[in-house]
Amino acid sequence: DVKVTQSSRYLVKRTGEKVFLECVQDMDHENMFWYRQDPGLGLRLIYFSYDVKMKEKGDIPEGYSVSREKKERFSLILESASTNQTSMYLCASSQPGQGDQPQHFGDGTRLSIL
Amino acid sequence: AQSVSQHNHHVILSEAASLELGCNYSYGGTVNLFWYVQYPGQHLQLLLKYFSGDPLVKGIKGFEAEFIKSKFSFNLRKPSVQWSDTAEYFCAVKPHNNNDMRFGAGTRLTVKP
Repeated sequence: DVKVTQSSRYLVKRTGEKVFLECVQDMDHENMFWYRQDPGLGLRLIYFSYDVKMKEKGDIPEGYSVSREKKERFSLILESASTNQTSMYLCASSQPGQGDQPQHFGDGTRLSIL
Repeated sequence: AQSVSQHNHHVILSEAASLELGCNYSYGGTVNLFWYVQYPGQHLQLLLKYFSGDPLVKGIKGFEAEFIKSKFSFNLRKPSVQWSDTAEYFCAVKPHNNNDMRFGAGTRLTVKP
C-alpha cells in the first residue's frame, strides 16, 4: 500500500519565519504535489513536480517554493510565513500513466502562523 | 487549466435517504475524473474513478458516478446513505495526457442517524 508521510501533523510558527514542510513517499512515484485545503475552497494546487529537481507552479504558488532533490521527498518552503498561510497542507504522489492514476495523500499538516 | 465546480457546499440527509452530489468541470479535451472522500480526521481516499468505457462507474461502499460528456458532469450517487458516510467529498479532474489534477471545493455531507 502506498504510504505518503508528512513530517508534522501540527505546526505553529511565527510571522516572518522560514517554514519547511516535508513529504516522503515510499512507492517510487514520479509525481508529487503540494496542496492547501481551506474551508469552502477545497484543495488548491501550490506546486507539483514530475521528476527530481523539476517543479511546476500550480494555481497559488505565491509565497511558496519547493525542493525535490530526491525522488521520494518533496519539500514545501514558506520563505517568510504570513498569517494568511495558516492552513491545512496536503502532500500527494502518483505514478505517471495514461492519466487514470489517482493521487495518494498524506495525513496533512495543519500549520498555524501567529 | 481545467476547473471543477461542486455546487453543494453542505448536504444534510437522514439515514436511508438517496444522495446525489453534483460535479461539473470545464476542459475542452479528454479527461479522467475522480471522486475522493475525506472522513473526519483521516486523509483523502479514492472513492471511484472514470478513465474510459462505461460512463457509469461503481466505487467502494455502494457509491457510483455517471460521466455525462455532453454536460461536462460527473455526479456522485448512492441510493441509501448511512451515518458512516458523513465526510467531505471532493470531485477532481485530470486531463488525459498529463497528471495535473484539479479539485473542486468539496461538499460536506452530514448524515443524521
